[in-house]
Amino acid sequence: GAVVSQHPSWVICKSGTSVKIECRSLDFQATTMFWYRQFPKQSLMLMATSNEGSKATYEQGVEKDKFLINHASLTLSTLTVTSAHPEDSSFYICSAMGTPQAADTQYFGPGTRLTVL
Amino acid sequence: GENVEQHPSTLSVQEGDSAVIKCTYSDSASNYFPWYKQELGKGPQLIIDIRSNVGEKKDQRIAVTLNKTAKHFSLHITETQPEDSAVYFCAASKGSSNTGKLIFGQGTTLQVKP
Repeated sequence: GAVVSQHPSWVICKSGTSVKIECRSLDFQATTMFWYRQFPKQSLMLMATSNEGSKATYEQGVEKDKFLINHASLTLSTLTVTSAHPEDSSFYICSAMGTPQAADTQYFGPGTRLTVL
Repeated sequence: GENVEQHPSTLSVQEGDSAVIKCTYSDSASNYFPWYKQELGKGPQLIIDIRSNVGEKKDQRIAVTLNKTAKHFSLHITETQPEDSAVYFCAASKGSSNTGKLIFGQGTTLQVKP
């Protein structure tokens, strides 16, 4: 149980284009989903917290107009990187929280490797 | 703000030996402490967690201890195997009744030599 999927697993795009990443909780309804980015050999950096049907809460320094988050249902959240640039290349990971058995626990997706050329 | 310090940053052990990773946290309101294992190119995987009303928890070769007074918690892996090689992250949270946000440590790269 508590499986989180992400799609795509990797994506390469040209500078200036937008990329959408999906995060799904497969066997539970996630009250809250989180989006992280991770640079090589570094820890996870929280970008934003999203609750179903509400606007996402962004961490300080994260541009909300550049990283659009939509949490339309209890099992799906999307992150859209708008007008991507090479410095946006990173490993993006989502997590979901809210299983009946462990409301505090975040379960992570497998990550999406974004490369912007 | 809340901070989590993790040591060591790298750890190399011989297969069969034990490995210990330590973390300290700054916010005394933290009440949930998970540990994640991350293999190269993959998302973090929860391996064990502990809540503030418990001092120790064990799951086969993995154990976690929590000292609330000192605000530190540790991961213990016994009888290490090569497949334990990965990056391990500790984290602290004030729980889902708060925002549920996790504050992560810097990570420990564990290498288990066969």
